[in-house]
Amino acid sequence: DAMVIQNPRYQVTQFGKPVTLSCSQTLNHNVMYWYQQKSSQAPKLLFHYYDKDFNNEADTPDNFQSRRPNTSFCFLDIRSPGLGDAAMYLCATSRVGRGRTNEKLFFGSGTQLSVL
Amino acid sequence: KQEVTQIPAALSVPEGENLVLNCSFTDSAIYNLQWFRQDPGKGLTSLLLIQSSQREQTSGRLNASLDKSSGRSTLYIAASQPGDSATYLCAVRKETSGSRLTFGEGTQLTVNP
Repeated sequence: DAMVIQNPRYQVTQFGKPVTLSCSQTLNHNVMYWYQQKSSQAPKLLFHYYDKDFNNEADTPDNFQSRRPNTSFCFLDIRSPGLGDAAMYLCATSRVGRGRTNEKLFFGSGTQLSVL
Repeated sequence: KQEVTQIPAALSVPEGENLVLNCSFTDSAIYNLQWFRQDPGKGLTSLLLIQSSQREQTSGRLNASLDKSSGRSTLYIAASQPGDSATYLCAVRKETSGSRLTFGEGTQLTVNP
């Protein structure tokens, strides 16, 4: 059974048209991450939520936003997608607590975003 | 800034061969290191996690080693099978970076029948 679920599997949007990607988890993990992965490149962390606390990476463009309405769900909003934003977007979760930063990350299957 | 390098970028071997994938990192102040598998167009699956205090971890035909002082890790795959074909990525978590992982670009492995 899938524990980290991403929808949709494939998303096509138009240049400049806002798009939202979703992620849900059944693991009750307190940390959720969004990564961007372009072809043959390493995944790049965009931001993560530690519980309700949002942590943005310094080099994440303002075009990318995120929402976490509850423990189970997290959304990635791209306000004005450009051609360079076409990529695989990966959601991941982990359980992190005091002195327990050794937990594994569990990834979803990803959403492949195309920008026309 | 932590940099993670994986060599080779691609590897093709015949079925049954034992093989080693390499991962190196520039900052040895890591908390742990993970090896992941990624099938084409899919997400990542965690294979092995090694704490900084450990030397190796084993799971089935997979064995991962860690030499923290030299900034190196290897993933050993025994008796490779066509189903092992995938991209293998390593990622390190720095001691002071909280939940952040730094990934390598991966080694694309093809096991030929």
